[in-house]
Amino acid sequence: DAGITQSPRHKVTETGTPVTLRCHQTENHRYMYWYRQDPGHGLRLIHYSYGVKDTDKGEVSDGYSVSRSKTEDFLLTLESATSSQTSVYFCAISTGGDRGDYEQYFGPGTRLTVT
Amino acid sequence: GQNIDQPTEMTATEGAIVQINCTYQTSGFNGLFWYQQHAGEAPTFLSYNVLDGLEEKGRFSSFLSRSKGYSYLLLKELQMKDSASYLCAVRDRGSGNTGKLIFGQGTTLQVKP
Repeated sequence: DAGITQSPRHKVTETGTPVTLRCHQTENHRYMYWYRQDPGHGLRLIHYSYGVKDTDKGEVSDGYSVSRSKTEDFLLTLESATSSQTSVYFCAISTGGDRGDYEQYFGPGTRLTVT
Repeated sequence: GQNIDQPTEMTATEGAIVQINCTYQTSGFNGLFWYQQHAGEAPTFLSYNVLDGLEEKGRFSSFLSRSKGYSYLLLKELQMKDSASYLCAVRDRGSGNTGKLIFGQGTTLQVKP
């Protein structure tokens, strides 16, 4: 399972509140990714990281920020949650290659509901 | 731009063979992946193709034609546990040094007795 955990696994929050999701890996992989999955849209990349303190935007980054202060942790923050951010969030790692070329493995997901 | 198309749903019979197609358009192709996702679970990696041809792995095979922008996933000897969504994803060379993947919306396969 590539040693990936996500926390929390489920969360219900109110519109306008800040929310932070955590992804933790135990195998020292360089590349980490945050996706959201919604019916009719499939998996969409929010942000990714290619090293400690090195992050960049994906295709649906508005309303989200990330941080990576340690190799093992990649945090996704919703500064002010909106109902449109209700989704299932998956973290992923790439197993190798200088450019993250190898396959990606996914964490178990976090189901977030914004009311 | 990038576009990946897969059928939304398919139905097949236990013990049969099913082929799930994926067509893609990218600015710079650099590999195609297939993932399986059971309801309520995370996607799990099935196969990777970067060169033309067929990759076989047990009951599952994946084929790629780069000139046609086309791939398929072939599932043989279908079992009830194969009922799941199958996601096609393409890595675009334009993504540079990040290994970013673009996913299709997935094909939901229902296997019936």
